[in-house]
Amino acid sequence: KNEVEQSPQNLTAQEGEFITINCSYSVGISALHWLQQHPGGGIVSLFMLSSGKKKHGRLIATINIQEKHSSLHITASHPRDSAVYICAGLTFGNEKLTFGTGTRLTIIP
Amino acid sequence: ETGVTQTPRHLVMGMTNKKSLKCEQHLGHNAMYWYKQSAKKPLELMFVYNFKEQTENNSVPSRFSPECPNSSHLFLHLHTLQPEDSALYLCASSREGRGGTDTQYFGPGTRLTVL
Repeated sequence: KNEVEQSPQNLTAQEGEFITINCSYSVGISALHWLQQHPGGGIVSLFMLSSGKKKHGRLIATINIQEKHSSLHITASHPRDSAVYICAGLTFGNEKLTFGTGTRLTIIP
Repeated sequence: ETGVTQTPRHLVMGMTNKKSLKCEQHLGHNAMYWYKQSAKKPLELMFVYNFKEQTENNSVPSRFSPECPNSSHLFLHLHTLQPEDSALYLCASSREGRGGTDTQYFGPGTRLTVL
């Protein structure tokens, strides 16, 4: 079992829908990253957060350190949001990133 | 050219071949990383270089040999690979090599197929 688990593994939604992707982790972390990987392979860092909530445009990331859970929300989803979304926890002590397997999001026009 | 570039974008090689992957960053960063991404598996960190010095080798087999001649360039030399080494190899850079506390900027990756 991965130390960082994401759900769902695959998500298909209609354009305009509110999207939630979840990330749970079993190790102690000091921060969590959300990354976006487009079909070509390139990865873009979306957020790094250690508490509370961060917002950038239509993207919102939240984290609850005590519950070891983070969510990524997309409001008014658009086909260009179709990508794989990856969370990664920064492990206490060794500052290593542990990655989840990703959630493949497809937004249908 | 800006950002992080990788060449080649696609590579097919036999198990007896020797090839090299190249990564270049134009961001003025001091740390560079190699990652492996296999199908349905999480990203795996392979190597970290900080100010040209290797600071992390994540138990990578010796058939993968990294080289960092300066802070802007990173190579991954490949020899006698196995079919299970087929994967997307991603390069990244960050301002400093502080693991996950710095934002990492990724290249587009090299899709490697070992026959």
